[in-house]
Amino acid sequence: GDSVTQMEGPVTLSEEAFLTINCTYTATGYPSLFWYVQYPGEGLQLLLKATKADDKGSNKGFEATYRKETTSFHLEKGSVQVSDSAVYFCALSDTANQAGTALIFGKGTTLSVSS
Amino acid sequence: KAGVTQTPRYLIKTRGQQVTLSCSPISGHRSVSWYQQTPGQGLQFLFEYFSETQRNKGNFPGRFSGRQFSNSRSEMNVSTLELGDSALYLCASRPAVAGRTGELFFGEGSRLTVL
Repeated sequence: GDSVTQMEGPVTLSEEAFLTINCTYTATGYPSLFWYVQYPGEGLQLLLKATKADDKGSNKGFEATYRKETTSFHLEKGSVQVSDSAVYFCALSDTANQAGTALIFGKGTTLSVSS
Repeated sequence: KAGVTQTPRYLIKTRGQQVTLSCSPISGHRSVSWYQQTPGQGLQFLFEYFSETQRNKGNFPGRFSGRQFSNSRSEMNVSTLELGDSALYLCASRPAVAGRTGELFFGEGSRLTVL
């Protein structure tokens, strides 16, 4: 079945450092891809998404490009802030699922940014 | 607009008991999904309800069940609790027309501890 693999971390960076969190996927169909973020004590929030190959999702300085040829959706940010400290989840829409509305998540990557 | 509300936020049960968790989606959202989050398995899809009908189901035993009411509120039930059922149970809602590309809006979760 479909699956998502992401680096588990933790990732520890200094403020203003460049961030990359790798995410690769396996899917039999053509999924939509998502990055969700979970701040301490809160539920998950959508950070960005891409629905077809070569789409770039972006939000709050974060970017990710849907790369069909490498089956990847890496998350990047040019300059992280302390407030970006959170757990980041890569996810795809399950193509084997009839309605396609279930999400398959990676294990999550913990990011810690220090000032 | 109020977010997704889950109750109770925390609960402790013993093995063999059963538990019911409640979720009120964002007003106007007719789709409600449930996910289990554990340190070992990460986030796993349990089921999705739409207009009081189960639309999708994940790979969980029959001890896990759910339902949706006419006002879109949803409950999930776990019977004959096992230690491994200890987890954060997340509810998420989405608008009816969102489909596979739409954003899920998550609640803060119900943390279940089984002793």
